[in-house]
Amino acid sequence: LAKTTQPISMDSYEGQEVNITCSHNNIATNDYITWYQQFPSQGPRFIIQGYKTKVTNEVASLFIPADRKSSTLSLPRVSLSDTAVYYCLLPRTGGNNRLAFGKGNQVVVIP
Amino acid sequence: EAGVTQFPSHSVIEKGQTVTLRCDPISGHDNLYWYRRVMGKEIKFLLHFVKESKQDESGMPNNRFLAERTGGTYSTLKVQPAELEDSGVYFCASSARLAGAYEQYFGPGTRLTVT
Repeated sequence: LAKTTQPISMDSYEGQEVNITCSHNNIATNDYITWYQQFPSQGPRFIIQGYKTKVTNEVASLFIPADRKSSTLSLPRVSLSDTAVYYCLLPRTGGNNRLAFGKGNQVVVIP
Repeated sequence: EAGVTQFPSHSVIEKGQTVTLRCDPISGHDNLYWYRRVMGKEIKFLLHFVKESKQDESGMPNNRFLAERTGGTYSTLKVQPAELEDSGVYFCASSARLAGAYEQYFGPGTRLTVT
C-alpha cells in the first residue's frame, strides 16, 4: 500500500482557513484519497474523498493536483469544535476494505 | 438512524482474565470491521466480516482473539486470556457497500485496560 505523510500537528486561530497537506508519492492508479477526522474519545469519522481535481462538501474541500502525489484538505473558517486529528488514507478500489491509518495531523484551534 | 454502538465503553481487567467486547453496526450494514489502537501506536485493522463470514482476519494479532458475528448482526470480540499488551482502544466500524467501502462508520470505541 502507498504510504502517506502528513505534518504531525498544527495550530490555527478560530475563523481561519486551515490547509492540511498529505504526501503520497507512491499512490497507485486504484487508490482513492480519503480523509477522516477523529475527535477525542470518539471513533474516526469520514469527511471527504476524491480521486483527482477538486471535491467539496459541506465540511471541507479536497484539492488533488494532476500527478496525485499529494492532496490538500481545506477546512474553511475553523471553529474550536474542529480541533481533532485528521487522517489521510488511500483505500484501494478492488482491494481489501481495510483502512490503514497513519499518525494523522493534530489540529488545534485556538480562540 | 442510530450509529455504530459499542459495549462496554471502558473495561478494566486483570491479566489472564477474559473480556468480551460487543459491537452493534448500523442496521442493514453487511460489512463490519474491528480495529484497535494500542498505546502510542496507530489505529490498526483487525478483521472484516461480510454478514456472518470472516472476509479478512489477517490483522488479528494471535489466537487469544476470537471474533464472531452470528446471524450477521452484532459482533463480539473476545480476548482470552488478556495480556498487558492488549490494552488499548478497540473500534468497530460498519459499511453498507463492499466495493470501494472507504466510507466506514466507526463506533466510539471500547477502552480496554489490562492490569
